[in-house]
Amino acid sequence: GQQLNQSPQSMFIQEGEDVSMNCTSSSIFNTWLWYKQDPGEGPVLLIALYKAGELTSNGRLTAQFGITRKDSFLNISASIPSDVGIYFCAGQLKGGSEKLVFGKGTKLTVNP
Amino acid sequence: DVKVTQSSRYLVKRTGEKVFLECVQDMDHENMFWYRQDPGLGLRLIYFSYDVKMKEKGDIPEGYSVSREKKERFSLILESASTNQTSMYLCASSLSLVGGYTFGSGTRLTVV
Repeated sequence: GQQLNQSPQSMFIQEGEDVSMNCTSSSIFNTWLWYKQDPGEGPVLLIALYKAGELTSNGRLTAQFGITRKDSFLNISASIPSDVGIYFCAGQLKGGSEKLVFGKGTKLTVNP
Repeated sequence: DVKVTQSSRYLVKRTGEKVFLECVQDMDHENMFWYRQDPGLGLRLIYFSYDVKMKEKGDIPEGYSVSREKKERFSLILESASTNQTSMYLCASSLSLVGGYTFGSGTRLTVV
């Protein structure tokens, strides 16, 4: 199936640092979503983006829908230990169905 | 809040057993999905359903089947479990892509 290229695969940072991760594709997307998965739990939706260029914040998290509609990024500012987890991007392809395409995830470790 | 409940958090089954993984959602969602999650491979779609008694194959349906007799319940069946089906299984539901998918907490299945 279609793949999203999510990077980096993993990050090890110190508490207080800012974090940035992104997803890219060769295909055009109508919707971009960012999820976080805590260890041993299912993914939880953080931010949803519906228009090219849209910039949306949720607390210390900010995500943007790329102008080309082929990419999206997620930033986390002033990281804290509870930010640990796996972050997934997901998108709905232009002309696609209700199925989402998922990136492979970015595993974030925050050292106190 | 929408709740997606997976019947078991942990399961251990023997090779060759028939295994049922149950998923129930309480918000009248049309769409339901089964994914498996493996390290380095991200989320891979096994089967999905847009309506009662309706099912469609995802990217990795081999060795699995599904049942959706009622709108709120979507079952994943491993006809004859094998060790390569040891994985984390995630169920999700959605009304539409506005708001994304809601995931259950996952079932970690070990086949010995």
